[in-house]
Amino acid sequence: NAGVIQTPRHKVTGKGQEATLWCEPISGHSAVFWYRQTIVQGLEFLTYFRNQAPIDDSGMPKERFSAQMPNQSHSTLKIQSTQPQDSAVYLCASSWDWGDQDTQYFGPGTRLLVL
Amino acid sequence: AQKVTQTQTSISVMEKTTVTMDCVYETQDSSYFLFWYKQTASGEIVFLIRQDSYKKENATVGHYSLNFQKPKSSIGLIITATQIEDSAVYFCAMREGDNNNRIFFGDGTQLVVKP
Repeated sequence: NAGVIQTPRHKVTGKGQEATLWCEPISGHSAVFWYRQTIVQGLEFLTYFRNQAPIDDSGMPKERFSAQMPNQSHSTLKIQSTQPQDSAVYLCASSWDWGDQDTQYFGPGTRLLVL
Repeated sequence: AQKVTQTQTSISVMEKTTVTMDCVYETQDSSYFLFWYKQTASGEIVFLIRQDSYKKENATVGHYSLNFQKPKSSIGLIITATQIEDSAVYFCAMREGDNNNRIFFGDGTQLVVKP
């Protein structure tokens, strides 16, 4: 089991550029989550999908951020017109979605630096 | 209001001793799920142990155990026979019992285990 895979591991963008982050969940997991981690804000929930459908995006900044899950094997988080304050580690997690099997397992994260 | 609170910012212990990390949570739900994760120096977030609110027995996994005090909304993590490699940041997290799988994290406790 390869665990949750996130690519790229590091990304540097210039202010105003677009950044797309990729996540491949653990095979068979039906729920995928995106989080952002910074020193100041800690671990913040962004959004999550269940069986590829968006369930809760209450943590997503209203502008510039979007997430998709086109198939069960990957999800993307896109940030348009990146700003320095978007610099963070973006973490993806996945889980089964039933009973006590809903423990989330995290990927290694993508460290985004916006210059 | 913060749903999960970890008041200990940092703890330092000697190797082979026992350490307890505190966590209190806030929820209106009668059914909820509590988790502890560890973040290593490399940034990897690893699931350690969970406690489902309806279970009276404290969870134990390896040298991790929980002190679940439901009337106090408290879920302490106990690590016995600490090892140098236990040095990490420990996060407490909660999922509420509705149909939403998002989890809320505390701010973390930095544990330093000294030889």
